[in-house]
Amino acid sequence: ETGVTQTPRHLVMGMTNKKSLKCEQHLGHNAMYWYKQSAKKPLELMFVYSLEERVENNSVPSRFSPECPNSSHLFLHLHTLQPEDSALYLCASSPSDSGGSTDTQYFGPGTRLTVL
Amino acid sequence: QKEVEQDPGPLSVPEGAIVSLNCTYSNSAFQYFMWYRQYSRKGPELLMYTYSSGNKEDGRFTAQVDKSSKYISLFIRDSQPSDSATYLCAFNTGGFKTIFGAGTRLFVKA
Repeated sequence: ETGVTQTPRHLVMGMTNKKSLKCEQHLGHNAMYWYKQSAKKPLELMFVYSLEERVENNSVPSRFSPECPNSSHLFLHLHTLQPEDSALYLCASSPSDSGGSTDTQYFGPGTRLTVL
Repeated sequence: QKEVEQDPGPLSVPEGAIVSLNCTYSNSAFQYFMWYRQYSRKGPELLMYTYSSGNKEDGRFTAQVDKSSKYISLFIRDSQPSDSATYLCAFNTGGFKTIFGAGTRLFVKA
């Protein structure tokens, strides 16, 4: 595997379910990100981890819970979601541990989530 | 006023045409200007990156920044069907936070 991988690629869940999204980066990067991409809306930054510590948390509802056990893996735990949470969830990684303009983000293919 | 404005399109052009994609922004603190390309069922990938006003060219692609007007553009010369994708403008002030436009969907017809 190369780059940034995400599993599953598609997920359908009910509002009472609990599920997790997984992201793995094979690039040796220090920072990892979760974004939400809804149709015709800008990417919304949800969480950022740098060296396994959360450094950004953009007012995301508590029904989304991130976990970063090591610098290569990132999870997004989901519970009691709402239909409006249906979107493409993108994971990204970047080399720097401090971010910045030249710190290119590399994205995974995303998980298409549908909440019924 | 939205921090970033980008026309969602879709924009449909014939093969070989010159394509112009644009974004306006309101935050004067933006110093770094980027364009990402996103193919269907893929994540975005960085296409071009510029700092400060001016032009930057890379093959068929030219990125242009006008900080006085808070306006950035991406030009694609000799467009190809393989250029069909969604193009996202993006802005960074430093740190981890990048602000993205909603994306313009481009179709290049053979």
